[in-house]
Amino acid sequence: GNSVTQMEGPVTLSEEAFLTINCTYTATGYPSLFWYVQYPGEGLQLLLKATKADDKGSNKGFEATYRKETTSFHLEKGSVQVSDSAVYFCALNGGLGSARQLTFGSGTQLTVLP
Amino acid sequence: DAGVIQSPRHEVTEMGQEVTLRCKPISGHNSLFWYRQTMMRGLELLIYFNNNVPIDDSGMPEDRFSAKMPNASFSTLKIQPSEPRDSAVYFCASSYSSGANVLTFGAGSRLTVL
Repeated sequence: GNSVTQMEGPVTLSEEAFLTINCTYTATGYPSLFWYVQYPGEGLQLLLKATKADDKGSNKGFEATYRKETTSFHLEKGSVQVSDSAVYFCALNGGLGSARQLTFGSGTQLTVLP
Repeated sequence: DAGVIQSPRHEVTEMGQEVTLRCKPISGHNSLFWYRQTMMRGLELLIYFNNNVPIDDSGMPEDRFSAKMPNASFSTLKIQPSEPRDSAVYFCASSYSSGANVLTFGAGSRLTVL
């Protein structure tokens, strides 16, 4: 079945530092890949997505590229802000024979210090 | 659109009591998902509906849990009787089941069973 493996947290960075959160996946066929973000006390929100190999999703300065050869979808941001402090979830859906629900990673807690 | 609306936002109850959580999905969305989030187990899919029909309830932990979707604009998740280990944040999410199937989450219902 489908699975998502995320870099374990927590991750603590200083403001303006570079961020990478690793995500690799296992799926048959051609899944769509997502990053969701959860701010304290809120539900998950879509941050970015990519639907086919070599697609780059981007939003709010975050980027992730769908790498089929390495089955990865790592999240990056060049300069983090305190307001980026949240939990980040990598997810996938689709692929051969799968149902329509998302498979989520375990989440990575990011704290950005001023 | 007001987004996915969940109620109550917080519920504190005693072991053995019945708990009902409610969800109003985004108008026009035809898939609805119930998730549970805990520190120990992360985000777990409990059940999902497509066009008001339950498609996969394999994540429902046991017979004490039940979910219904009587119409396209309303769903309930019921726990009877509740137990302390049911304490968690329960999220409802909805999507239009086409393409990349992007989920929109509600703010969650935080349940504490004493």
